[in-house]
Amino acid sequence: DAGITQSPRYKITETGRQVTLMCHQTWSHSYMFWYRQDLGHGLRLIYYSAAADITDKGEVPDGYVVSRSKTENFPLTLESATRSQTSVYFCASSDTLSGNTIYFGEGSWLTVV
Amino acid sequence: AQTVTQSQPEMSVQEAETVTLSCTYDTSENNYYLFWYKQPPSRQMILVIRQEAYKQQNATENRFSVNFQKAAKSFSLKISDSQLGDTAMYFCASSSNTGKLIFGQGTTLQVKP
Repeated sequence: DAGITQSPRYKITETGRQVTLMCHQTWSHSYMFWYRQDLGHGLRLIYYSAAADITDKGEVPDGYVVSRSKTENFPLTLESATRSQTSVYFCASSDTLSGNTIYFGEGSWLTVV
Repeated sequence: AQTVTQSQPEMSVQEAETVTLSCTYDTSENNYYLFWYKQPPSRQMILVIRQEAYKQQNATENRFSVNFQKAAKSFSLKISDSQLGDTAMYFCASSSNTGKLIFGQGTTLQVKP
């Protein structure tokens, strides 16, 4: 099915380990985003990308790394996971052709113990 | 910098009644978009309604409508004939030409039978 998919959906990892969350979209949207949502709060932008090989920091980029070698993929890596990075992570994409409407994946629930 | 503020952390409404959720924003952009997203307990982000800032006419989607007051930088959501399935957290968001979406803190809406 077309759309935006995230993997894994659920992950438990230990402090200090590297974790990569994958995001894949089939619309060929130019923009892709990573947000995190902590319990009871809104979404905060971690990183975004306007096109392949172009990435930029959002509100809370520290501790995260992204890459965009292909338009359809936008992986998010936690280089050394900390407990404060326990959160739900949402990948999203948009394009000017979609009127700047942003479409979200189903979220990846990450717990760092 | 863009900011979005939702001043009502929680609201409740009786089934079949009408409820209005408030949102104010600040932006230096001339061309921007405003959105309301619904997040049910599943945590999926669902687009409810979208407004283009250059359009004066208020957007409407079935039972959902907005009151867009550009000069006041206000963007409220009205839900008519509330249904139990409308129970969710609602987020107001603003996007600019860069495509980034900035969210408010969210309003939890409880529809009571």
